[in-house]
Amino acid sequence: DQQVKQNSPSLSVQEGRISILNCDYTNSMFDYFLWYKKYPAEGPTFLISISSIKDKNEDGRFTVFLNKSAKHLSLHIVPSQPGDSAVYFCAASRYSGAGSYQLTFGKGTKLSVIP
Amino acid sequence: GAVVSQHPSRVICKSGTSVKIECRSLDFQATTMFWYRQFPKKSLMLMATSNEGSKATYEQGVEKDKFLINHASLTLSTLTVTSAHPEDSSFYICSARAGEPYEQYFGPGTRLTVT
Repeated sequence: DQQVKQNSPSLSVQEGRISILNCDYTNSMFDYFLWYKKYPAEGPTFLISISSIKDKNEDGRFTVFLNKSAKHLSLHIVPSQPGDSAVYFCAASRYSGAGSYQLTFGKGTKLSVIP
Repeated sequence: GAVVSQHPSRVICKSGTSVKIECRSLDFQATTMFWYRQFPKKSLMLMATSNEGSKATYEQGVEKDKFLINHASLTLSTLTVTSAHPEDSSFYICSARAGEPYEQYFGPGTRLTVT
């Protein structure tokens, strides 16, 4: 059962335009959401996050929007740059007991920014 | 800050042998470390949660006798793949929690190939 879904396996965007990556989740126990960027043969790099009590968080060119009622979040990158080309993973966090929080990842969306 | 290293980055071993992968938090103390496995074109799958000084908590379907996890110090966790088989070939990634309970910082990953 895929609790975090990224339905678009790939996305191509022209340099300078906006990239919008989408993520849906099913578990209402998730209370914190994160986006990670991953290059081939490397570990994921934390990008931006949002608490479930907020609906928007912005950091430079990156903005994450959360719609709790729809169980949907999105990552906006504007303007997109060729260096943004990577696989983006959406992750959701929930408390798993004993002071630990677990992350559940989506399958990722490969973003290609075309110069 | 929040740098996590893994060693080795790549290892090739023969079927039946054991392989140890190290995960270190370089500039912070990590009470909790996580081990993930990534199959091609799939999301990161959590294998186990490791708390310093205690036994690891394994996810359903992960054989604890095959994937031995030791978290002997606040900066080091090891994953030993015992009696490796070709189906164990994968990309193994560790992460460590640094302060913020929700956020994890990932190592660069280890590519294991079992021949």
